[in-house]
Amino acid sequence: QKEVEQDPGPLSVPEGAIVSLNCTYSNSAFQYFMWYRQYSRKGPELLMYTYSSGNKEDGRFTAQVDKSSKYISLFIRDSQPSDSATYLCAMSEDAGNKLTFGGGTRVLVKP
Amino acid sequence: DSGVTQTPKHLITATGQRVTLRCSPRSGDLSVYWYQQSLDQGLQFLIQYYNGEERAKGNILERFSAQQFPDLHSELNLSSLELGDSALYFCASTPDTLNYGYTFGSGTRLTVV
Repeated sequence: QKEVEQDPGPLSVPEGAIVSLNCTYSNSAFQYFMWYRQYSRKGPELLMYTYSSGNKEDGRFTAQVDKSSKYISLFIRDSQPSDSATYLCAMSEDAGNKLTFGGGTRVLVKP
Repeated sequence: DSGVTQTPKHLITATGQRVTLRCSPRSGDLSVYWYQQSLDQGLQFLIQYYNGEERAKGNILERFSAQQFPDLHSELNLSSLELGDSALYFCASTPDTLNYGYTFGSGTRLTVV
């Protein structure tokens, strides 16, 4: 079993809908949680960075962490076709550690 | 352009061969990380260098080695290549040893035939 599980998708939504993504993990020592977006033929780029449990909002993006359930989520409001990409969750035990990535969820936002 | 430069973009080579992948980190960044991305394994951490010194090692095979040079660019050497080594290899950099905000390069796609 992988340390970080993520549904590969694809997740197809109409433009303007809310995109809901999530990851589950098994390592209770993880404290730092990130979401990356990866377009085809490009490297991942950081979207959100959170520490421990709670919510964080940045524009159309909201990240949630529930450490008690070992579950993290990313919500994208008012989705646009340009949001079509693969979304990867990543996490680490402390700020100086390597990141452990989920396998990514492919998202398609249809006009 | 993220500021992290990886060369070459594509590489096709035969089994048993040796290749070198190169990464120039973003200006001012001291840490370089190497990751392997394959369809079945996702992004797997290989190794991290900080200011020329190896800092952390992940699931890196003995056939693979890396180094970071005084000008901070890094090279990943893959030898005795096997078909299963075909993957995207990413380099990322950060200003220091903290993992906040990796900046990734566009990757090198390695195909072993």
